[in-house]
Amino acid sequence: DVKVTQSSRYLVKRTGEKVFLECVQDMDHENMFWYRQDPGLGLRLIYFSYDVKMKEKGDIPEGYSVSREKKERFSLILESASTNQTSMYLCASRAGGTNSPLHFGNGTRLTVT
Amino acid sequence: AQSVTQPDIHITVSEGASLELRCNYSYGATPYLFWYVQSPGQGLQLLLKYFSGDTLVQGIKGFEAEFKRSQSSFNLRKPSVHWSDAAEYFCAVGASPGTYKYIFGTGTRLKVLA
Repeated sequence: DVKVTQSSRYLVKRTGEKVFLECVQDMDHENMFWYRQDPGLGLRLIYFSYDVKMKEKGDIPEGYSVSREKKERFSLILESASTNQTSMYLCASRAGGTNSPLHFGNGTRLTVT
Repeated sequence: AQSVTQPDIHITVSEGASLELRCNYSYGATPYLFWYVQSPGQGLQLLLKYFSGDTLVQGIKGFEAEFKRSQSSFNLRKPSVHWSDAAEYFCAVGASPGTYKYIFGTGTRLKVLA
């Protein structure tokens, strides 16, 4: 089974802090994703990476950046956390194209105070 | 524009009763369709997927879904619900091959009464 591991289940950070959310997958998948999940809004794509050091902006990239230095690891960075970034963050990976399902981590619930 | 609609935000059923969760999509071509389940505090787990062929798809945990092109629907069903099925369910469409876009519905939260 594919395993996608997010390093933190819960995080509490202060406004203005730089925040790193880490995600590791163990199936040698090319593609990795960061989504944000908010009640009533479903899942919204923040960033997508299709290879090491390669990335594409998703639907809501503002206030976020990403890093993919190794194939198995995809990091989401909040350069200066704000209260409106309080949310559940989900990392996912997939083996192929959009006919392939996404495999999700358990999520990181981030609270910015 | 491509979209996925789950018209029911909340559904409550009694344990042992049958279940149908609705999903309607708007997409130009034959879509890649998925159903995911999310238990509280967890990530999303794939229940089943449809690409082509038989329009009735079997998934894990006793779930099935039927693709109806004429109705642009991909409804999820289970003949007898268990208390452990209480969760949130998401329908999703995979967009054109070669892209990375998935379009998710806003979810249906299922409550199961003992």
